[in-house]
Order: sequence, then structure tokens, then C-alpha cells
Amino acid sequence: EVQLVQSGAEVKKPGESLKISCKTSGYTFTYNWIAWVRQMPGKGLEWMGIVHPDDSETRYSPSFQGQVTISADKSTNTAYLQWSSLKASDTATYFCARVVSGMDVWGQGTNVTVSS
Amino acid sequence: EIVLTQSPGTLSLSPGERATLSCRASQSVSNSYLAWYQQKPGQAPRLLIYASTGRATGIPDRFSGSRSGADFALTISRLEPEDFAIYFCQHYRSSPPVYTFGQGTKLEFK
Repeated sequence: EVQLVQSGAEVKKPGESLKISCKTSGYTFTYNWIAWVRQMPGKGLEWMGIVHPDDSETRYSPSFQGQVTISADKSTNTAYLQWSSLKASDTATYFCARVVSGMDVWGQGTNVTVSS
Repeated sequence: EIVLTQSPGTLSLSPGERATLSCRASQSVSNSYLAWYQQKPGQAPRLLIYASTGRATGIPDRFSGSRSGADFALTISRLEPEDFAIYFCQHYRSSPPVYTFGQGTKLEFK
């Protein structure tokens, strides 16, 4: 069974850094892109970017380019999303998803709250 | 940049009825694809339809997707209580990669 399991909820202050994870299992990690998607409270879905775990190639949505860093570690079958300096507007739920004909399997989501 | 417009914003129906949700692309999507997702409160989205008409693994056959030019539709033939949720369409393309979502349609009990 293909599974994507994300790290737990985070509460951070503005200006702090953060790295959240998405650990995969049940398939060959290096075969498929992994996407990250943001959902702000009560809002819709926004694609942030994708990473290919085989060579760590990344592509970002223009809206998120320079705002976050997406990476992958094929030794641990884990993808990451990180911020160097959080803002209150980064408060949201973040999902990872495997990219196969759309996004066929999703993580459970990580809630990130940024508040002073 | 393609913009996807979903309509209606909210659809009020009863179990057993037929639901038709619309997704219109702002420009040609001939070299790319469209997917539909279902999201329930507090849950991750679930892929229903890929490549406009393909049903994802494990999705009941009451869900179907169709396309007419830049207009796409998700049809649920007979609503079950568990179908009341928010539905998102997504345009996707691999080169260059783009995964644009529509704003969503809320399917609620009448």
C-alpha cells in the first residue's frame, strides 16, 4: 500500500525557520515526482512545487518561488518543505502528494501556525 | 497562466439526485490534463478523475468526468450521503510543470 506520512503540527513565531517532512512507503520513491500543496484556513488548494527524488530536480509555482525550499532524500524515501523565515501568512495546512496522473496519493497534512 | 473557474460555488441537492459540477478553463488545455478531487472536512483531498475522464483506483462508477473543449464536468449519477464534500478541479501539465486548481464547489445537503 502506497503511503505518505507527514510530520506533526507545528507552532512557530514569525522569523523562525521550519522544515516539515513527508515519508513515503509502498512504492519506489525515485520513480515519481512529489508535490507540495498549501491550503490556507477555509480556502482552496494551491500548488507550491514539485521535486523528483531521483535527482532532486525541483520546480516551483511562481507564487512560491523564493519563498520555500523543496527537497528529497532518497536514502530515507522522504520529501521536505522548508522555510527560512516564517510569516504569519504562512499559517496553513500543507499536503504532500505523489504525482501520478494528477496527484494520486496524499499525505494527511501538516498544520503550521505562525503567531507571535 | 490558465485560470480554472468552477461553478456553481455551492450546489444543494438530496441523496439519490444527480450532481453536475462544472470547471471551465480560461484558455486551451489541449496539451494537458484535468483532474477532479474530493475533500471532506479535516481530510486530505482524494483523486477521483484523472485525464478528464479516467476514474482513479477504487472510485465508484457513479463518478464520471467529461470534456467539451475548454469545459469540463464531474457528474455524480446518484448521490450517496458520503458524497457531500468540496470538489476541486485541477489542470496539470508535465512540461513545464503546472498544477493549477479551481476554487472549488461545495456540494451540500438540501
